[in-house]
Amino acid sequence: DIVLTQSPDSLAVSLGERATINCKSSQSVLYSSNNKNFLAWYQQKPGQPPTLLLYWASTRESGVPDRFSGSGSGTDFTLTISRLQAEDVAIYYCQQYYSTPVTFGGGTKVELK
Amino acid sequence: QVTLKESGPVLVKPTETLTLTCTVSGFSLSNPRMAVSWVRQPPGKALEWLARISSDDEKSYRTSLKSRLAISKDTSNSQVVLTMTNMDPVDTATYYCVRMVVHLIDRWGQGTLVAVSS
Repeated sequence: DIVLTQSPDSLAVSLGERATINCKSSQSVLYSSNNKNFLAWYQQKPGQPPTLLLYWASTRESGVPDRFSGSGSGTDFTLTISRLQAEDVAIYYCQQYYSTPVTFGGGTKVELK
Repeated sequence: QVTLKESGPVLVKPTETLTLTCTVSGFSLSNPRMAVSWVRQPPGKALEWLARISSDDEKSYRTSLKSRLAISKDTSNSQVVLTMTNMDPVDTATYYCVRMVVHLIDRWGQGTLVAVSS
């Protein structure tokens, strides 16, 4: 199984500041035939199910604000929230869909400083 | 509008079998690009994929739980059923039904919290 390791486990960021979350995969999730990274990011607010933020590592789901961006390729990925808003307080998960079983990172909790 | 709704017991006893039903709307379980999976989340912990069923009835399971899981679907009624045998307190979790476009999870149900206790 592909193991995804997220860092940090939690971070506290001031309103309007940048938040950066890392996700490292135990093997590459880049599919060479289409040059796409099979890596997604989800946001989970308290008491709610996760929602899809980004897929193909950097493509925003419809309706997701452009302050959310994704980067990286192969085994190392980053989710950046450029200007943190109060509604962004949540746990963020990366997930690979390159191979079965799909697997998730351990989550990163973003709080307000 | 795509929706997935989980239903089932909120409490099961150890050694009992859990049966959960997911009723979907807004898409067809026969769409070749669509699949449905179950994902669970123990309280305060991370997400864990359990099982998947595709439009052509191909099934896959989490290796560590394969002997305890069974997934099936009733396309005409837009339902997917997950059974998990020999429940244990460590199986206490919120169980989510999710839609997969090929292998990408793009929609989640609200989830159902199942507690395992005598």
